[in-house]
Amino acid sequence: QVQLQESGPGLVKPSETLSLTCTVSGDSINNYYWSWIRQPPGRGLEWIGYIYYSGSTDYNPSLKSRVTISVDTSKNQFSLKLSSVTAADTAVYYCARDIRAQHLPSYYYYYMDVWGKGTTVTVSS
Amino acid sequence: DIQMTQSPSSLSASVGDRVTITCRASQRIITYLNWYQQKPGKAPKLLIYAASSLQSGVPSRFSGTGSGTDFTLTISTLQPEDFATYYCQQSYITPRSFGQGTKLEIK
Repeated sequence: QVQLQESGPGLVKPSETLSLTCTVSGDSINNYYWSWIRQPPGRGLEWIGYIYYSGSTDYNPSLKSRVTISVDTSKNQFSLKLSSVTAADTAVYYCARDIRAQHLPSYYYYYMDVWGKGTTVTVSS
Repeated sequence: DIQMTQSPSSLSASVGDRVTITCRASQRIITYLNWYQQKPGKAPKLLIYAASSLQSGVPSRFSGTGSGTDFTLTISTLQPEDFATYYCQQSYITPRSFGQGTKLEIK
């Protein structure tokens, strides 16, 4: 079955760029949407954004000026870059597969059915 | 942005109890509502999508109802493995937003 695995540095300095990769195994990255979600310590979940395998993206406006999500279909991977990080960006970062199912004309259900285990990123000097 | 509010924020219950968690959206979201379960140190797990559709492999004691702005997640007969935190999430518009979570604890 499909599995997702996040990878990247666990420690990032303030003002630098956080870079994470999610590797998809057990299925092709094609024809799906893929999301990044984060969870600060002891807090709830925050959706960061998603990418379609073709490269189209949508980001949370609260992070949009600092976020870039990209996809590499040849490696079955997608990636997250978050620039100018501060301590507030310390969190567990999850990647997830985002299913799109048509409900009504021009209306689609979206739900995240497979998640990676998450990777902890700490922002500290 | 759509705000999602869950109640209660925490709940104590016993094995065998019937439990209901409520989620309210700040605007109408039809049935674009998902429920996730998260255990400590683990990733969230999808339970219910489209307000009432049970994800494959999820026990039938979990059920979801609602439309518009008000939704519920019900666990019919609590099992020991159900003690966790539950989140609702709307997918009607971006940015996708989650409720603050409901922590279900053993009484």
